[in-house]
Amino acid sequence: AQSVAQPEDQVNVAEGNPLTVKCTYSVSGNPYLFWYVQYPNRGLQFLLKYITGDNLVKGSYGFEAEFNKSQTSFHLKKPSALVSDSALYFCAVRDGSNYQLIWGAGTKLIIKP
Amino acid sequence: NAGVTQTPKFQVLKTGQSMTLQCAQDMNHNSMYWYRQDPGMGLRLIYYSASEGTTDKGEVPNGYNVSRLNKREFSLRLESAAPSQTSVYFCASSEAMTGFDQPQHFGDGTRLSIL
Repeated sequence: AQSVAQPEDQVNVAEGNPLTVKCTYSVSGNPYLFWYVQYPNRGLQFLLKYITGDNLVKGSYGFEAEFNKSQTSFHLKKPSALVSDSALYFCAVRDGSNYQLIWGAGTKLIIKP
Repeated sequence: NAGVTQTPKFQVLKTGQSMTLQCAQDMNHNSMYWYRQDPGMGLRLIYYSASEGTTDKGEVPNGYNVSRLNKREFSLRLESAAPSQTSVYFCASSEAMTGFDQPQHFGDGTRLSIL
């Protein structure tokens, strides 16, 4: 069965420091991986995706994610955090045999000035 | 660009009442989805419509019905609301469900409280 785990409920980072939000997955075939961000009282917004190819994927707002097949991970990263990056971040996965996205529980990212 | 529009934004119901949540997208997308979001549980798929004229159950369909009215609109109905259906409901759309790399686009949600 497909599954996604975001092991941290909350991540706290000082402004200007690098940030990492962790995601691990389990699928039976090749994974299609996504990161979304949710700001308060808003819907989810697509950040980036991994389908195939380069293991480092770049997305919106300066975010990037690293796909690691051996560790079945897809961690979200940013070199220098901004206070405006504070939000809820969701990882999602599907494999080639299932049309439905499976969502992680979300990680609250707090960037302190 | 309106994207995905959900109405209403907030609603309070009494147990046993019924209501319909409306969703419309203006991106000419084929596939549409209804999710509920509860604290600490991420998103759970209620129903989806892969294309106009089709609907299918997701992970948590009990207590809900849907209608794909046309390509633009996908409504969610609670026939007899229960307190367990208190949640934030999100509608989303994508170009086609069969496109595995296509992201979903979300509305801003309907915050529903059942007393």
